[in-house]
Amino acid sequence: QKEVEQNSGPLSVPEGAIASLNCTYSDRGSQSFFWYRQYSGKSPELIMSIYSNGDKEDGRFTAQLNKASQYVSLLIRDSQPSDSATYLCAWAGGTSYGKLTFGQGTILTVHP
Amino acid sequence: EAGVVQSPRYKIIEKKQPVAFWCNPISGHNTLYWYRQNLGQGPELLIRYENEEAVDDSQLPKDRFSAERLKGVDSTLKIQPAELGDSAVYLCASSASFRGGGELFFGEGSRLTVL
Repeated sequence: QKEVEQNSGPLSVPEGAIASLNCTYSDRGSQSFFWYRQYSGKSPELIMSIYSNGDKEDGRFTAQLNKASQYVSLLIRDSQPSDSATYLCAWAGGTSYGKLTFGQGTILTVHP
Repeated sequence: EAGVVQSPRYKIIEKKQPVAFWCNPISGHNTLYWYRQNLGQGPELLIRYENEEAVDDSQLPKDRFSAERLKGVDSTLKIQPAELGDSAVYLCASSASFRGGGELFFGEGSRLTVL
């Protein structure tokens, strides 16, 4: 089993819709979870971090963490074409102490 | 504040040739990472430095890859000899936290093509 698995893509949503990105992880010792966005040809940039069970909202972005189910998700409300990118989930802690382990990424396309 | 600086941005070499990548992290960031990203995949850690010490190099192919971080600032990643499978983007990142994880700041990457 891969350490981090993201829902298969690519994901295409219309402008204004909610985009839902999901990630499951295998290490129960994982403590910290992150969502990075990577535009084509660019480097990853952090958009959300979450450490506790529940939801964390930041503008149009909501991260959700369920440690019991080993599941983390990212919701993007009112999706915009500028949100089109690859979204990488990552985790730290447990066997990944001191580093970030990334999923393979989900390509999101928001079409007008 | 200047971000993470990497060079070269692009490099095309023939197999069996050597290549080196350079990284200058954000000032004050003690933790430096080298990741490799293959097309369509997430970044994979090659090596992590805390100051000048390599604290995690378990994923570094040591038969052909080497890295150094002199004086705990700049870092160089070398491949010798390069193989076709080494074609990828090599990303350098730095962070302020000595515990790692958290927010990593990435450079623009060095795209390597091995012919």
